[in-house]
Formats: sequence, C-alpha cells, structure tokens
Amino acid sequence: KDQVFQPSTVASSEGAVVEIFCNHSVSNAYNFFWYLHFPGCAPRLLVKGSKPSQQGRYNMTYERFSSSLLILQVREADAAVYYCACQGGSYIPTFGRGTSLIVHP
Amino acid sequence: DGGITQSPKYLFRKEGQNVTLSCEQNLNHDAMYWYRQDPGQGLRLIYYSQIVNDFQKGDIAEGYSVSREKKESFPLTVTSAQKNPTAFYLCASSMTEIHEQYFGPGTRLTVT
Repeated sequence: KDQVFQPSTVASSEGAVVEIFCNHSVSNAYNFFWYLHFPGCAPRLLVKGSKPSQQGRYNMTYERFSSSLLILQVREADAAVYYCACQGGSYIPTFGRGTSLIVHP
Repeated sequence: DGGITQSPKYLFRKEGQNVTLSCEQNLNHDAMYWYRQDPGQGLRLIYYSQIVNDFQKGDIAEGYSVSREKKESFPLTVTSAQKNPTAFYLCASSMTEIHEQYFGPGTRLTVT
C-alpha cells in the first residue's frame, strides 16, 4: 500500500532553519508536494516538484524515496501543520499524517 | 475571484441522519476530491472524480456517497452508515489528476 511518513511534531527556535523530513513507499513515485495548513483554513501549496526547488523561504529537497521541506528564518507565525504528499503511478497524491511545527520565541 | 468554496463551515446533525456537504469550484478544473481529516490521521481520501459523471472510491469510501453531475460541483453525502462521521472535511480540485491540488476551507461536521 502506498504510504507517506513524516514526524508528528518538529520544534524549532525563531530565526533558525527548520527541516521537516518525509519518506514514502509510493509505487513509481516521481513528484512531491508540500502543503501548509492552519486549522480551519484551506491547506496551501508551498512548493512542489520532481527536483529540488525553492519558493521564497521554502526549499524542497528531492530524493527517490524522500523529500525534506526547509523553512528559512522560521517565525512564530509559521507554527502550523505541514503536509507532505507524494505522487506516483496512480497519479492521486498520497498524503502523510502531517507535521505540527512548534516555534519557540 | 477563482477558488473553491465549501459550505457551511460548521454543520451539526443528529445521529442517523444523512447530511450533504457542498463543494463548488470555478477554476475550470476537471478533477475533484474529498478528504477527511482527523487528529493524528492526516488527510485521507474518501472519493475522487476525474471527469463529469465519473468518480472512484478512495481509501475510506464506506458510509459516503458522491455525485458529479456538473464540472463545478462535487457534493459529498455522509450517510447514516458512516460509523464515525464527526470530522473535518476538505474538498480539493486540480486541473487534471496529474496536477497539484487546490483546497477549499473545509467543513467541520459534528454528529451527536
């Protein structure tokens, strides 16, 4: 069964670079998506791709079986849930369980 | 403004009643999806539709039904057969199944 794994919680200090790691068992995986979700709001796509990419403060690494989201100069306002999704042969992305980011002042 | 709308934001129902959640998009996307979110469970796929008048079951379709009569609309019915219906429900759409998904703001359903 296709699955995506990510830590349930990551903690960081304000101003640091935080890394959220994700790995998977998705068949014929070729693409990753990283979403930001504030409770009660629509999840928002941060970065995507089948190679390393960057959008503003968000960097995405890409390996065959894993990806990491790096958030530069993390702020208290970045505290939210981050979802990793992996797209493979079935085309419908498989989502992880989400990582809650805690940012200490 | 283009986007995805879900209504209502909060919904309360008595156990044993069917309830229909609305999802509308004006992005001209072919594909639409329904997810359920529970604490610690992430986003689990209920149903998806790649084209009008066609839809497929996702990982947790039991107790749910959908229809796709119009490109813009993909309503989800939570039936009385769904054993644990209380959850946060998210609708999404994408240009086609190979493109990234865009999400609506969600509906929180509480069944008592």
